[in-house]
Amino acid sequence: ILNVEQSPQSLHVQEGDSTNFTCSFPSSNFYALHWYRWETAKSPEALFVMTLNGDEKKKGRISATLNTKEGYSYLYIKGSQPEDSATYLCAFPSPDSWGKLQFGAGTQVVVTP
Amino acid sequence: DAGVIQSPRHEVTEMGQEVTLRCKPISGHDYLFWYRQTMMRGLELLIYFNNNVPIDDSGMPEDRFSAKMPNASFSTLKIQPSEPRDSAVYFCASSLGQFGGSNYGYTFGSGTRLTVV
Repeated sequence: ILNVEQSPQSLHVQEGDSTNFTCSFPSSNFYALHWYRWETAKSPEALFVMTLNGDEKKKGRISATLNTKEGYSYLYIKGSQPEDSATYLCAFPSPDSWGKLQFGAGTQVVVTP
Repeated sequence: DAGVIQSPRHEVTEMGQEVTLRCKPISGHDYLFWYRQTMMRGLELLIYFNNNVPIDDSGMPEDRFSAKMPNASFSTLKIQPSEPRDSAVYFCASSLGQFGGSNYGYTFGSGTRLTVV
């Protein structure tokens, strides 16, 4: 079973503060790394699909970096807002079945005003 | 595109009854996935299809669960007979290409909240 690990499990952020959290994955046989945002009572929404070592992607105040050699990705939220409150999932294609993603357990972010 | 469409949004049924969940993927997507969200296990893959063919059903909990994809625009997940422990939110997702959808990732439907009493 592939290990996709996310840390921390949860974090609380004051509105306006910036934060970041980590996704770790096996560095061998890398094809892609996905990030999803999952708001309560909604469905997961794709944020980024990253494929190249050193890749950096940005969407508004959210950005992500990728290090495939050491097997980690960071997600950054700049100037957190209450609407950023969600669980952020990373996912990695499963080597035993390339069509499917192995999801991490997520980092739950709570932004308080 | 209207996105991935699931129906019904909510289903309440009695134990022992048959339940059918429906999904219409995004047109042109060649992968379709059924997930279940529970408090204990988080997001759990049940089964997925590629070009309408079931590829991996190792996540289907038991024989009471079955899934079909008769054509590229429709899939069903059936539970017969249903049990209270099947209560969960069931998500359908679709994607284009391997590795989880090379450029855009998965698109999830809104989910079906199933309650078995």
